[in-house]
Amino acid sequence: KNEVEQSPQNLTAQEGEFITINCSYSVGISALHWLQQHPGGGIVSLFMLSSGKKKHGRLIATINIQEKHSSLHITASHPRDSAVYICAVLPTQGGSEKLVFGKGTKLTVNP
Amino acid sequence: EADIYQTPRYLVIGTGKKITLECSQTMGHDKMYWYQQDPGMELHLIHYSYGVNSTEKGDLSSESTVSRIRTEHFPLTLESARPSHTSQYLCASRVTGYNSPLHFGNGTRLTVT
Repeated sequence: KNEVEQSPQNLTAQEGEFITINCSYSVGISALHWLQQHPGGGIVSLFMLSSGKKKHGRLIATINIQEKHSSLHITASHPRDSAVYICAVLPTQGGSEKLVFGKGTKLTVNP
Repeated sequence: EADIYQTPRYLVIGTGKKITLECSQTMGHDKMYWYQQDPGMELHLIHYSYGVNSTEKGDLSSESTVSRIRTEHFPLTLESARPSHTSQYLCASRVTGYNSPLHFGNGTRLTVT
């Protein structure tokens, strides 16, 4: 069982819909990353969180350290948001460089 | 916009060949990483570097080696490519610091025939 679980695995939405992607993890962490991977393979860092909530444009990321859970929300979704969204955690044990990645959530936003 | 470059973008090579995947960043980042990603699967760390002349193996067993002779350059070498090495290889970098984000290159998609 992966230490980082994302849900759903696949998500299809209509343009304009509110999207939520969830990430649960089973270890103590010092930080959590949300990444976006486009079909070409390149990855962009969206957020890094250690507590609370962050907002950037139409994207909002929240984390609940006690519940070991994070969510990524996209408001007013658009076809250009179609990508794989990856959650990654930095465990407090095991070395400071070894991020543990989820398998990703593939989002498709239809016009 | 992140300035981290990987070459080649795609590579098809025969079994037994020696290959080097290039990664360069112009941001002066001290920390650099190589990840391997199979289709539909999670990224796995194969090598990382804290700075010049500092390299460490990651969690995923790998037959590759890396070097860090200059801050900006972190090449990955496979001495003898095998079909099991077919995968996407992603290079990343960041500055030292608790909250510094990762910057990724566009990846090298390697196929070993």
